[in-house]
Amino acid sequence: TQLLEQSPQFLSIQEGENLTVYCNSSSVFSSLQWYRQEPGEGPVLLVTVVTGGEVKKLKRLTFQFGDARKDSSLHITAAQPGDTGLYLCAGALDSGAGSYQLTFGKGTKLSVIP
Amino acid sequence: NAGVTQTPKFQVLKTGQSMTLQCAQDMNHEYMSWYRQDPGMGLRLIHYSVGAGITDQGEVPNGYNVSRSTTEDFPLRLLSAAPSQTSVYFCASSYSISGRWYNEQFFGPGTRLTVL
Repeated sequence: TQLLEQSPQFLSIQEGENLTVYCNSSSVFSSLQWYRQEPGEGPVLLVTVVTGGEVKKLKRLTFQFGDARKDSSLHITAAQPGDTGLYLCAGALDSGAGSYQLTFGKGTKLSVIP
Repeated sequence: NAGVTQTPKFQVLKTGQSMTLQCAQDMNHEYMSWYRQDPGMGLRLIHYSVGAGITDQGEVPNGYNVSRSTTEDFPLRLLSAAPSQTSVYFCASSYSISGRWYNEQFFGPGTRLTVL
């Protein structure tokens, strides 16, 4: 059973379109992160959200943490070819004892066509 | 700072061979971890360490050993390679502030391993 479900798995859109990627779980997370990974490289952190209902913006990217801290979304406005990559969400479980481990979703592979 | 470095970049092994994947970080991070990434499976945690001399198992530890003798280095050993260990391996490090783990992972560039 996958703890973090990401959807869609693949997304191919035209430059200038908007898109939303979802990360859902039945578990509560103390924090949730989004990473972007380009071919042949390691993932790079985009954002961390820690408060239920929190919204963070990074240029054309908007990240939201669900009120119950079980889900998150990533919205990209006016996608550019440079946004192409694998987007991964990762959560730290709210164990109360300190979370050393991150659980990753399987990722959303985004292709932005010029 | 070099960040997290991994060697080698690519490796081909025969079934039954052993090898060590090297990982080093120069950020004085307490936390280090190893992940494997397979198509359609995402990143899965193999082993992790919260400081020198302390290691623990992650989600998929079988067939791998680790040790942490220094803060900087966290090698991953394959004792007897199997085709099922063909994967891309990533090392990552993280830090805490005032005892709170921030979970932000700094990843290395990865090692692409093929076991024939």
